[in-house]
Amino acid sequence: GIQVEQSPPDLILQEGANSTLRCNFSDSVNNLQWFHQNPWGQLINLFYIPSGTKQNGRLSATTVATERYSLLYISSSQTTDSGVYFCAVPGGGNEKLTFGTGTRLTIIP
Amino acid sequence: DSGVTQTPKHLITATGQRVTLRCSPRSGDLSVYWYQQSLDQGLQFLIQYYNGEERAKGNILERFSAQQFPDLHSELNLSSLELGDSALYFCASSVNPGGQYGYTFGSGTRLTVV
Repeated sequence: GIQVEQSPPDLILQEGANSTLRCNFSDSVNNLQWFHQNPWGQLINLFYIPSGTKQNGRLSATTVATERYSLLYISSSQTTDSGVYFCAVPGGGNEKLTFGTGTRLTIIP
Repeated sequence: DSGVTQTPKHLITATGQRVTLRCSPRSGDLSVYWYQQSLDQGLQFLIQYYNGEERAKGNILERFSAQQFPDLHSELNLSSLELGDSALYFCASSVNPGGQYGYTFGSGTRLTVV
């Protein structure tokens, strides 16, 4: 099946810093989503971004489908940004979403 | 509120017992997916339904079963529970089976087996 890798696995930043999270996938896809899982376990949809660039406040995402990667940018980090960020793609002949291993982001006040 | 409703939010039960988790998809979505997230693990796909029919199976144990009803809500039944079944169980829905317009996740059911 399709492989999804995320980097870095862990990231610790001071409040106010910027960060870039990366998601690589092994096959062509028609959809890619970024999720934030907060410390309470809730899985929050950030972006549906099969290609191109989208922005939502301090967050933005870019997917380059032809090169099989996506980037999530977080600017001016706040402590509420802490949690695990997952990217997920369907594909590999299956309609289910395959999740990456996640990036655990910790923002220190 | 994502539009996908999962109940209950928390469940504590003993080994050997049986529980039922419920999911109501977002209005208009026909496809329902169940995922399991064990402690410090990623999200593992369990099973998918589309308009009442099973569509795909993942790493779902034989002790687990699911169904989607005519009103499109879905239930995940977990039986002969073991300590290792303790996990977050998520339901997601999409308009169509391929999820080309995105998937919406519920807030999950946290199951603790003691």
